[in-house]
Amino acid sequence: DTEVTQTPKHLVMGMTNKKSLKCEQHMGHRAMYWYKQKAKKPPELMFVYSYEKLSINESVPSRFSPECPNSSLLNLHLHALQPEDSALYLCASSQRLSNQPQHFGDGTRLSIL
Amino acid sequence: QKEVEQDPGPLSVPEGAIVSLNCTYSNSAFQYFMWYRQYSRKGPELLMYTYSSGNKEDGRFTAQVDKSSKYISLFIRDSQPSDSATYLCAMENTGTASKLTFGTGTRLQVTL
Repeated sequence: DTEVTQTPKHLVMGMTNKKSLKCEQHMGHRAMYWYKQKAKKPPELMFVYSYEKLSINESVPSRFSPECPNSSLLNLHLHALQPEDSALYLCASSQRLSNQPQHFGDGTRLSIL
Repeated sequence: QKEVEQDPGPLSVPEGAIVSLNCTYSNSAFQYFMWYRQYSRKGPELLMYTYSSGNKEDGRFTAQVDKSSKYISLFIRDSQPSDSATYLCAMENTGTASKLTFGTGTRLQVTL
């Protein structure tokens, strides 16, 4: 089991639905990340939060909306997604930004119908 | 040319073999290096991380960094079927904190 917990493990949604992905860590890490991973590809960075503030947005479409309610929680709100958004969404955390190893959760496998 | 090159494999070895996994990179600003193992339908699991050139050992795993050649390696001794997974190298540029550049991953199969 990883120390970064993601829920749900699987999610199937229609293009008009609104859903949220959740990520939780209790390692005291102050940097948290969202990644997208397609099959047989490496993870691609989407968002970075540092001390609960958005630090990096890798030009992600607005149908993805991140939120960091506190230092242990990270959400990704989804709305009006497209079929090409089907992927494994990974959350990661590190003690802080820069030169710290990132620890990943097992991801949410998202399918858009 | 990609910033990080990694042979995608698959690499098939018999149980007990020594495995060598490699990545080359072109950006001399990369200063922090990591290896992750990813099983099917799981997230990447951190195996090793290092700043410096030279070797770092942890159990059956040894990470090697050669900054002069821009080349990193992960050696797995006494490989086991449970080592069958995709291995990803990742690097961080000190000028772009927190943004990891991943290799494409090498798929390893350890056979009985």
